[in-house]
Amino acid sequence: GAVVSQHPSRVICKSGTSVKIECRSLDFQATTMFWYRQFPKQSLMLMATSNEGSKATYEQGVEKDKFLINHASLTLSTLTVTSAHPEDSSFYICSASRGWYQETQYFGPGTRLLVL
Amino acid sequence: DAKTTQPPSMDCAEGRAANLPCNHSTISGNEYVYWYRQIHSQGPQYIIHGLKNNETNEMASLIITEDRKSSTLILPHATLRDTAVYYCIVPVNAGNNRKLIWGLGTSLAVNP
Repeated sequence: GAVVSQHPSRVICKSGTSVKIECRSLDFQATTMFWYRQFPKQSLMLMATSNEGSKATYEQGVEKDKFLINHASLTLSTLTVTSAHPEDSSFYICSASRGWYQETQYFGPGTRLLVL
Repeated sequence: DAKTTQPPSMDCAEGRAANLPCNHSTISGNEYVYWYRQIHSQGPQYIIHGLKNNETNEMASLIITEDRKSSTLILPHATLRDTAVYYCIVPVNAGNNRKLIWGLGTSLAVNP
């Protein structure tokens, strides 16, 4: 159990367009989902935390109007990168945990975004 | 919030045990130690976690010292597929959640 999927696995888009990434918990209900970004040769950086039915909490320096997060159900969260620019090119990874104050996060396989 | 310290890299021969150390000297009594690994270009994979007792699962064993200031992740029979970056993390408080702060981890190379 504890499988998390992401779609798409990779996406190429033109500068100025928006891209939506889906994160699904396949065999458990995820009260909390997390979105991370990872640049080459760097560690994961937490972007935001979302609890089902609530607004996401963004980390300092992450623009909430640029990275829109929706967590409308217990198995699905989406991250939309609006008006993407080349500097947004990165590896985006989601994770999910089962409940409030549950610490074990299970990660998706990641989405590689390339903005041209 | 407890910080962790890990060696940047380690080597291990295939079939041998890989022992990955982690220092978390400022850990408090109710904080868990988590281990994840990330194979190149993939999402992280949960390995194991513990509070004060030693833990074992199908992937690894976790040995935590009695004073809880350090721990060791043991992969009993390392294979080439265990080559990855291993992260030792103590989750930090963030409102109603705990979040993971990722350091640089230990890059483990399993050699044939």
